[in-house]
Amino acid sequence: GNSVTQMEGPVTLSEEAFLTINCTYTATGYPSLFWYVQYPGEGLQLLLKATKADDKGSNKGFEATYRKETTSFHLEKGSVQVSDSAVYFCALTNQAGTALIFGKGTTLSVSS
Amino acid sequence: NAGVTQTPKFQVLKTGQSMTLQCAQDMNHEYMSWYRQDPGMGLRLIHYSVGAGITDQGEVPNGYNVSRSTTEDFPLRLLSAAPSQTSVYFCASSPLGTGHSYEQYFGPGTRLTVT
Repeated sequence: GNSVTQMEGPVTLSEEAFLTINCTYTATGYPSLFWYVQYPGEGLQLLLKATKADDKGSNKGFEATYRKETTSFHLEKGSVQVSDSAVYFCALTNQAGTALIFGKGTTLSVSS
Repeated sequence: NAGVTQTPKFQVLKTGQSMTLQCAQDMNHEYMSWYRQDPGMGLRLIHYSVGAGITDQGEVPNGYNVSRSTTEDFPLRLLSAAPSQTSVYFCASSPLGTGHSYEQYFGPGTRLTVT
C-alpha cells in the first residue's frame, strides 16, 4: 500500500534560516500529497497540497513540489520565524482514495 | 462556522470503563474520520465514514466502534477501555472530492488517559 517517510526531528533553527523537511513516498497510481502543521495544543491544519506531478503547493512562505521522478514532496521555506515552531506532517491519499496516510511528523523549533 | 468540534477535551478512564468521544461538523462534509496520535507514530486511522449510514475500518480499528446516523455527527465508542488506548484522538472531515484530493479539516483533539 501507499506509504510516506519524512525526516526525523527535531529540527532546530535560528530565525531567518532556510528550512527543508524531506518527505518521500511510495504509492500505486497518482496520489495527492499534503503538508499539515500542528501547533502546540491544537489539531492539524492543512498547510499546502499538490494533486499531480510537477504541481507546486505554497502557503505562508512554505513551498513543496510534487516530484514523481524522485517520489518526493520536500517542504521548504526561505526564512523561518519563531511562529513557525510546530510539528509538520507529510501525508498522501491511500490507494483507494478513502483516507490520508501520515508520516510520523517532524518537530521544528525556531529560536530568535 | 464552528468547523469540527470535539468533546471532551480531556478524559481519564479506568481500565474496563466505556465512553463515547463526540465529534460534530457544520460544513456538510460527507467524509468523516477518527485518528489517534501517539508519540513517534504519527496519526493512524481508526474508522472512517463516507456518508450517513456508511462506516468502514481503518488501520487500527480494534477496541473502537463508530456509527454515522447523521451527516453532522460521528461518535467514537470505547466499549472497554485499555491502557493501550491512552492517546490523543482527532476527528476530521472533508468534502468528498474527485481525483483523490481529500483535504481534511481537523478538530482540536481529545486527550484520553486510561489507568
